[in-house]
Amino acid sequence: DAGVTQSPTHLIKTRGQQVTLRCSPKSGHDTVSWYQQALGQGPQFIFQYYEEEERQRGNFPDRFSGHQFPNYSSELNVNALLLGDSALYLCASSLGAGGPYNEQFFGPGTRLTVL
Amino acid sequence: AQSVTQLGSHVSVSEGALVLLRCNYSSSVPPYLFWYVQYPNQGLQLLLKYTTGATLVKGINGFEAEFKKSETSFHLTKPSAHMSDAAEYFCAVGGSQGNLIFGKGTKLSVKP
Repeated sequence: DAGVTQSPTHLIKTRGQQVTLRCSPKSGHDTVSWYQQALGQGPQFIFQYYEEEERQRGNFPDRFSGHQFPNYSSELNVNALLLGDSALYLCASSLGAGGPYNEQFFGPGTRLTVL
Repeated sequence: AQSVTQLGSHVSVSEGALVLLRCNYSSSVPPYLFWYVQYPNQGLQLLLKYTTGATLVKGINGFEAEFKKSETSFHLTKPSAHMSDAAEYFCAVGGSQGNLIFGKGTKLSVKP
């Protein structure tokens, strides 16, 4: 079992650019959640995808968007990058959506640096 | 609204000493509580979770936590620290949206 995988590992962009991050969930999982972890902070929930739809969303602007594919993998897109978007972006997968008790398995993250 | 407060952003212990990392939560509904560990440049790994039932929860690597409703706490303990325990630890509560609401984390240092 490969677990949750994310690509790329690191990414450097400049302000105003757009970025796409990718995530493959743990085998058998159908739900993908994305989190942003700024330096020295705990992860913050961005959104969750289930059945190829955004089901829940945290307090993030529309510049943050995503997609889930039929094979359950997911992408996170961020437009018009700001310096404050520099962070570790974590993908987590789980089985089923909506429940606060669902155990989430995290990937290693993508470190995004915006210059 | 649900929230988590971790007391102490940095805790330092000697190898072999007791580890105690504090977590208090706020929730209007029965909480689901989690502890995750994050090693440098890695993602989060689940240590243990409380859903319902027994209030003393045992996890991996010798860690355990006790759910105390009256104190709204879910502190993480380990009787004897190892050098390999040095990492950052996050307490989280399961949100109604199916997300996790994390505290700001506690960095654990272990001195030889």
